[in-house]
Amino acid sequence: KQEVTQIPAALSVPEGENLVLNCSFTDSAIYNLQWFRQDPGKGLTSLLLIQSSQREQTSGRLNASLDKSSGRSTLYIAASQPGDSATYLCAVPNSGNTPLVFGKGTRLSVIA
Amino acid sequence: DARVTQTPRDKVTEMGQEVTMRCQPILGHNTVFWYRQTMMQGLELLAYFRNRAPLDDSGMPKDRFSAEMPDATLATLKIQPSEPRDSAVYFCASGLVGAGINEQFFGPGTRLTVL
Repeated sequence: KQEVTQIPAALSVPEGENLVLNCSFTDSAIYNLQWFRQDPGKGLTSLLLIQSSQREQTSGRLNASLDKSSGRSTLYIAASQPGDSATYLCAVPNSGNTPLVFGKGTRLSVIA
Repeated sequence: DARVTQTPRDKVTEMGQEVTMRCQPILGHNTVFWYRQTMMQGLELLAYFRNRAPLDDSGMPKDRFSAEMPDATLATLKIQPSEPRDSAVYFCASGLVGAGINEQFFGPGTRLTVL
């Protein structure tokens, strides 16, 4: 059974810092990996999707990397801003036909 | 701007009452998922459909939960009778799954409180 772990559970940084969020998964036979953002009381917003054949994806100040063989992904946020404060979740399906298995998330606070 | 919509956004009910949650997936998506989020368990799958056919509902209590897709534009999740332990946020997600694609898009959720 696929299990997804995110470390740290919470992170507080001053504005302007670069930071890395970590995600690990137990079964490396994944189809892709998706990073989401969730604001308090809101739904999930898809940030980045990395296919299993890719090593990384970038969107603005966000960069996600994927190392399937070691079962790890990182989300790098450059020049953090208070508006980046949210919970970040990573999720993987085991194949194209299965639902997502989620980590518990990293709650990020960026202090102005 | 295509998005998944869910109604109601908030629901407060008393134990034993029936609750129905509705979801309109993104037009053209072939797969619809129902997830539940709690502080203790995080996000967990309840059920999902491919081309309106149920593929897996092993994540939900069969004696009280039921999920259906009456048509391609509507998915429903029903709880009868509801219990306080059902209090959670219920998310619907849709995606165009297959042929190398599996990206899911989430609705805003229904926050259910059972007293």
